[in-house]
Amino acid sequence: GAGVSQSPSNKVTEKGKDVELRCDPISGHTALYWYRQSLGQGLEFLIYFQGNSAPDKSGLPSDRFSAERTGGSVSTLTIQRTQQEDSAVYLCASSLGEATQYFGPGTRLTVL
Amino acid sequence: AQSVTQLGSHVSVSEGALVLLRCNYSSSVPPYLFWYVQYPNQGLQLLLKYTSAATLVKGINGFEAEFKKSETSFHLTKPSAHMSDAAEYFCAVSDVGGTSYGKLTFGQGTILTVHP
Repeated sequence: GAGVSQSPSNKVTEKGKDVELRCDPISGHTALYWYRQSLGQGLEFLIYFQGNSAPDKSGLPSDRFSAERTGGSVSTLTIQRTQQEDSAVYLCASSLGEATQYFGPGTRLTVL
Repeated sequence: AQSVTQLGSHVSVSEGALVLLRCNYSSSVPPYLFWYVQYPNQGLQLLLKYTSAATLVKGINGFEAEFKKSETSFHLTKPSAHMSDAAEYFCAVSDVGGTSYGKLTFGQGTILTVHP
């Protein structure tokens, strides 16, 4: 079946612009996670959604970052007023409950 | 709090040689442990996982790992390396059933190079 998909695969933006990154989880998966992969920080947890519960936003690095999940499926990660340090690969993963997480191919964000 | 330490950011082996990638973890609750592989410009692919059943876990592509609670280790091995094994490998810990909702804490990764 279809895996986790993310779009766009690459995004180049100018400092100060807003960006939206999209994640389509595996159909039926109730949990959705966002992670960030950067050279300096490795793989870091950003945010977690589980069903209709309030999301765990404990990993978001600043209030410029936000995410939503509509209808328990698609999720959008928004970064406002992007900075150069936001350049990274943003990975989305989904799972059934709290079991094995399956990752998408990622979105490579470059902030000029 | 959880943490993962991968010993060796780079490991180089000859084709056909044993692959050993080291991972030590710290967790306040019984952990779930994972190894993921990442090929260039791709996402993470699950190799294998430990979820409190058998301590010796077999995964895809001939890889296996052994959970050793006394050593807080979960080292990844493969008896004979293949050129296609060249990639970056990540060990991760999750406290499923704890307070972190199963979110993964990753090690820094180990880049495996396989020489002909």
